[in-house]
Amino acid sequence: ETGVTQSPTHLIKTRGQQVTLRCSSQSGHNTVSWYQQALGQGPQFIFQYYREEENGRGNFPPRFSGLQFPNYSSELNVNALELDDSALYLCASSFVAGENNEQYFGPGTRLTVT
Amino acid sequence: AQSVTQPDIHITVSEGASLELRCNYSYGATPYLFWYVQSPGQGLQLLLKYFSGDTLVQGIKGFEAEFKRSQSSFNLRKPSVHWSDAAEYFCAVGVMEYGNKLVFGAGTILRVKS
Repeated sequence: ETGVTQSPTHLIKTRGQQVTLRCSSQSGHNTVSWYQQALGQGPQFIFQYYREEENGRGNFPPRFSGLQFPNYSSELNVNALELDDSALYLCASSFVAGENNEQYFGPGTRLTVT
Repeated sequence: AQSVTQPDIHITVSEGASLELRCNYSYGATPYLFWYVQSPGQGLQLLLKYFSGDTLVQGIKGFEAEFKRSQSSFNLRKPSVHWSDAAEYFCAVGVMEYGNKLVFGAGTILRVKS
């Protein structure tokens, strides 16, 4: 069974640029959630996708957007990068969105905005 | 609003000593509670979860946690700590609204001294 994978591992961008982060869900999972973890803080929920539709969103501006594909992989896009976007971005997959199923996390993408 | 408080930012224990990490939550409905562990540069690994039933739950790596509704707490314990337990520990509550998200505490960094 393949776990959750994320790419790239590390990324450095300049303020104002755009970035795309990728996530492959664990086999058999149809729900993906994205979290932002700033240094020294716990992860913060960005949004969740279930069957290619957004199924919940946290307190993040519209420049954070996402996609889920038919194979349940996912992308997180961030436009107009700001210095405060520097963080570890975690992807988590689960089987069903409507129940409190366990969320399995990937290793994360470390984004640095300069 | 839902929230999780982990009062201790850092805890240092001697190898072989017992451990208790504190977690308090605020949530209006029946809580679904989780403990995750994060090693440096890694994603989050689920240690244990509480959905319902027995208030003492067993997890992996010899960890257990006790749910106390009257105290809104879900403390993590281990009878004898190993040096490999040094990591950051996050308590989270599962929130069922427009999807299923996890609300995390700020984390507790565990140091183990030999």
